[in-house]
Amino acid sequence: KAGVTQTPRYLIKTRGQQVTLSCSPISGHRSVSWYQQTPGQGLQFLFEYFSETQRNKGNFPGRFSGRQFSNSRSEMNVSTLELGDSALYLCASSFIGSQNYGYTFGSGTRLTVV
Amino acid sequence: AQSVTQLGSHVSVSEGALVLLRCNYSSSVPPYLFWYVQYPNQGLQLLLKYTTGATLVKGINGFEAEFKKSETSFHLTKPSAHMSDAAEYFCAVNIGNQFYFGTGTSLTVIP
Repeated sequence: KAGVTQTPRYLIKTRGQQVTLSCSPISGHRSVSWYQQTPGQGLQFLFEYFSETQRNKGNFPGRFSGRQFSNSRSEMNVSTLELGDSALYLCASSFIGSQNYGYTFGSGTRLTVV
Repeated sequence: AQSVTQLGSHVSVSEGALVLLRCNYSSSVPPYLFWYVQYPNQGLQLLLKYTTGATLVKGINGFEAEFKKSETSFHLTKPSAHMSDAAEYFCAVNIGNQFYFGTGTSLTVIP
Protein backbone atom coordinates (compact mmCIF):
# COMPACT_ATOMS: atom_id res chain seq x y z
CA LYS A 1 0.00 0.00 0.00
CA ALA A 2 1.09 3.56 -0.59
CA GLY A 3 3.11 5.26 2.14
CA VAL A 4 2.76 8.70 3.62
CA THR A 5 2.96 11.29 0.86
CA GLN A 6 4.16 14.80 1.48
CA THR A 7 4.06 17.55 -1.08
CA PRO A 8 5.97 19.44 -2.18
CA ARG A 9 9.37 17.86 -1.45
CA TYR A 10 11.24 21.14 -1.67
CA LEU A 11 10.12 24.72 -1.26
CA ILE A 12 11.87 28.08 -1.25
CA LYS A 13 10.02 31.04 0.20
CA THR A 14 10.83 34.63 1.11
CA ARG A 15 10.62 36.05 4.62
CA GLY A 16 7.14 37.30 5.37
CA GLN A 17 5.39 34.95 2.97
CA GLN A 18 3.16 32.12 4.00
CA VAL A 19 3.35 28.46 3.02
CA THR A 20 1.07 25.44 3.03
CA LEU A 21 2.40 21.90 3.20
CA SER A 22 0.34 18.83 2.47
CA CYS A 23 0.34 15.32 3.87
CA SER A 24 -1.63 12.30 2.73
CA PRO A 25 -1.50 9.51 5.31
CA ILE A 26 -1.55 5.80 4.71
CA SER A 27 -5.03 4.62 3.82
CA GLY A 28 -6.92 3.82 7.02
CA HIS A 29 -4.67 5.92 9.25
CA ARG A 30 -6.66 8.56 11.07
CA SER A 31 -3.93 10.15 13.14
CA VAL A 32 -1.56 12.63 11.49
CA SER A 33 1.28 14.37 13.31
CA TRP A 34 3.67 17.05 12.18
CA TYR A 35 7.28 17.57 13.23
CA GLN A 36 9.89 20.19 12.50
CA GLN A 37 13.42 18.88 12.16
CA THR A 38 16.47 21.15 12.32
CA PRO A 39 20.14 20.33 12.95
CA GLY A 40 20.19 22.37 16.15
CA GLN A 41 16.85 21.41 17.70
CA GLY A 42 16.29 17.90 16.43
CA LEU A 43 12.71 16.71 16.04
CA GLN A 44 10.17 19.04 17.53
CA PHE A 45 6.51 18.16 17.75
CA LEU A 46 4.15 20.63 16.12
CA PHE A 47 0.69 19.09 16.43
CA GLU A 48 -1.37 15.97 15.98
CA TYR A 49 -4.74 15.61 14.33
CA PHE A 50 -7.19 12.80 14.74
CA SER A 51 -10.56 12.67 13.02
CA GLU A 52 -10.29 16.32 11.95
CA THR A 53 -9.61 17.50 15.52
CA GLN A 54 -6.34 18.73 16.94
CA ARG A 55 -5.54 16.29 19.72
CA ASN A 56 -2.09 17.48 20.82
CA LYS A 57 -0.07 20.61 20.27
CA GLY A 58 3.59 21.44 20.74
CA ASN A 59 5.19 24.70 21.77
CA PHE A 60 5.18 26.63 18.54
CA PRO A 61 3.86 30.14 17.92
CA GLY A 62 0.44 30.73 16.46
CA ARG A 63 2.00 31.30 13.03
CA PHE A 64 2.04 27.53 12.76
CA SER A 65 -1.36 26.01 12.19
CA GLY A 66 -2.83 22.90 10.71
CA ARG A 67 -5.98 21.13 9.83
CA GLN A 68 -7.21 17.72 8.84
CA PHE A 69 -9.87 16.87 6.31
CA SER A 70 -12.52 14.18 6.40
CA ASN A 71 -10.33 11.90 4.25
CA SER A 72 -7.57 12.24 6.90
CA ARG A 73 -5.34 14.33 4.63
CA SER A 74 -3.69 17.10 6.56
CA GLU A 75 -2.25 20.49 5.77
CA MET A 76 0.15 22.61 7.73
CA ASN A 77 0.36 26.35 7.29
CA VAL A 78 3.07 28.74 8.36
CA SER A 79 2.37 32.44 8.07
CA THR A 80 4.80 35.36 8.14
CA LEU A 81 7.78 33.15 7.48
CA GLU A 82 11.03 33.78 9.34
CA LEU A 83 14.52 32.61 8.44
CA GLY A 84 14.43 30.29 11.44
CA ASP A 85 11.51 28.39 9.94
CA SER A 86 13.89 26.80 7.45
CA ALA A 87 13.69 23.09 8.27
CA LEU A 88 12.59 19.67 7.18
CA TYR A 89 8.92 19.28 8.02
CA LEU A 90 7.90 15.70 8.59
CA CYS A 91 4.44 14.28 8.62
CA ALA A 92 3.70 10.97 10.31
CA SER A 93 0.55 8.92 10.31
CA SER A 94 -0.68 6.21 12.60
CA PHE A 95 -3.59 3.84 12.85
CA ILE A 96 -5.85 5.29 15.55
CA GLY A 97 -3.02 6.24 17.86
CA SER A 98 0.74 5.94 17.69
CA GLN A 99 1.30 4.19 21.00
CA ASN A 100 1.15 0.58 19.88
CA TYR A 101 1.84 0.96 16.22
CA GLY A 102 4.37 3.71 16.00
CA TYR A 103 4.45 6.21 13.23
CA THR A 104 4.94 5.89 9.50
CA PHE A 105 6.77 8.95 8.31
CA GLY A 106 6.69 10.69 5.00
CA SER A 107 9.89 11.82 3.27
CA GLY A 108 9.34 15.37 4.38
CA THR A 109 9.15 18.82 2.86
CA ARG A 110 12.40 20.77 2.88
CA LEU A 111 11.48 24.43 3.42
CA THR A 112 14.08 27.09 2.85
CA VAL A 113 13.27 30.67 3.82
CA VAL A 114 15.45 33.34 2.23
CA ALA B 1 8.52 14.84 32.87
CA GLN B 2 9.23 12.45 30.06
CA SER B 3 12.53 12.55 28.20
CA VAL B 4 14.86 10.52 26.06
CA THR B 5 18.65 10.72 26.17
CA GLN B 6 20.86 9.31 23.47
CA LEU B 7 24.46 9.09 24.60
CA GLY B 8 26.84 10.04 21.84
CA SER B 9 25.68 12.22 18.99
CA HIS B 10 28.25 10.59 16.71
CA VAL B 11 29.37 6.97 16.73
CA SER B 12 31.93 5.43 14.37
CA VAL B 13 32.46 1.72 13.92
CA SER B 14 34.43 -0.40 11.49
CA GLU B 15 32.60 -2.52 8.97
CA GLY B 16 31.88 -5.88 10.59
CA ALA B 17 32.18 -4.55 14.13
CA LEU B 18 29.47 -4.44 16.78
CA VAL B 19 27.10 -1.49 16.68
CA LEU B 20 25.87 -0.19 20.05
CA LEU B 21 23.71 2.93 20.22
CA ARG B 22 22.62 3.96 23.68
CA CYS B 23 19.24 5.24 24.77
CA ASN B 24 17.97 6.03 28.24
CA TYR B 25 14.56 7.35 29.09
CA SER B 26 12.71 8.82 31.99
CA SER B 27 9.04 8.16 32.41
CA SER B 28 6.58 8.04 35.26
CA VAL B 29 4.60 5.30 33.54
CA PRO B 30 5.66 2.21 31.57
CA PRO B 31 6.70 3.52 28.19
CA TYR B 32 6.37 2.23 24.70
CA LEU B 33 9.83 2.38 23.11
CA PHE B 34 10.92 2.77 19.52
CA TRP B 35 14.01 3.08 17.37
CA TYR B 36 13.86 4.88 14.05
CA VAL B 37 16.48 5.28 11.32
CA GLN B 38 16.78 8.24 8.97
CA TYR B 39 18.76 8.28 5.75
CA PRO B 40 19.73 11.61 4.17
CA ASN B 41 16.81 13.63 2.87
CA GLN B 42 14.36 10.96 3.94
CA GLY B 43 11.77 10.57 6.65
CA LEU B 44 12.19 8.30 9.63
CA GLN B 45 11.75 4.56 9.23
CA LEU B 46 10.71 2.31 12.09
CA LEU B 47 13.46 -0.16 13.02
CA LEU B 48 11.81 -1.84 15.97
CA LYS B 49 9.52 -1.25 18.90
CA TYR B 50 8.83 -2.52 22.40
CA THR B 51 5.29 -2.38 23.72
CA THR B 52 4.80 -5.35 26.02
CA GLY B 53 6.08 -8.91 26.40
CA ALA B 54 9.58 -10.08 25.57
CA THR B 55 12.15 -7.46 26.46
CA LEU B 56 14.53 -8.38 23.65
CA VAL B 57 13.07 -7.04 20.45
CA LYS B 58 14.29 -7.86 16.96
CA GLY B 59 13.86 -5.42 14.14
CA ILE B 60 14.71 -4.97 10.51
CA ASN B 61 18.20 -5.10 8.99
CA GLY B 62 19.56 -7.28 11.80
CA PHE B 63 19.06 -4.74 14.57
CA GLU B 64 17.76 -5.58 18.01
CA ALA B 65 17.20 -3.77 21.28
CA GLU B 66 16.66 -4.81 24.86
CA PHE B 67 14.33 -3.06 27.27
CA LYS B 68 15.88 -2.95 30.73
CA LYS B 69 13.43 -1.44 33.15
CA SER B 70 15.88 -1.36 36.06
CA GLU B 71 18.33 0.66 33.99
CA THR B 72 15.62 2.66 32.11
CA SER B 73 17.48 1.80 28.93
CA PHE B 74 16.66 0.63 25.44
CA HIS B 75 20.01 0.28 23.69
CA LEU B 76 20.17 -0.66 20.02
CA THR B 77 22.66 -3.26 18.82
CA LYS B 78 23.73 -5.04 15.67
CA PRO B 79 26.41 -7.74 15.74
CA SER B 80 28.13 -6.76 12.49
CA ALA B 81 27.98 -3.29 10.93
CA HIS B 82 27.43 -2.89 7.23
CA MET B 83 28.22 0.15 5.13
CA SER B 84 24.52 0.59 4.45
CA ASP B 85 23.90 1.09 8.20
CA ALA B 86 25.40 4.58 8.04
CA ALA B 87 22.50 6.87 8.98
CA GLU B 88 20.95 8.86 11.81
CA TYR B 89 19.25 6.84 14.53
CA PHE B 90 16.54 8.13 16.83
CA CYS B 91 15.26 6.59 20.01
CA ALA B 92 11.73 7.53 21.04
CA VAL B 93 9.25 6.88 23.80
CA ASN B 94 5.51 7.06 23.41
CA ILE B 95 3.43 7.95 26.41
CA GLY B 96 -0.25 8.62 26.01
CA ASN B 97 0.05 8.76 22.23
CA GLN B 98 2.67 11.49 22.53
CA PHE B 99 6.09 10.79 21.09
CA TYR B 100 9.28 12.09 22.69
CA PHE B 101 12.35 11.75 20.48
CA GLY B 102 15.99 11.73 21.41
CA THR B 103 18.37 14.09 19.67
CA GLY B 104 19.71 11.35 17.42
CA THR B 105 22.96 9.48 16.93
CA SER B 106 24.79 9.68 13.64
CA LEU B 107 26.38 6.35 12.81
CA THR B 108 29.45 6.25 10.56
CA VAL B 109 30.71 2.92 9.24
CA ILE B 110 34.39 2.84 8.32
CA PRO B 111 35.38 0.44 5.55
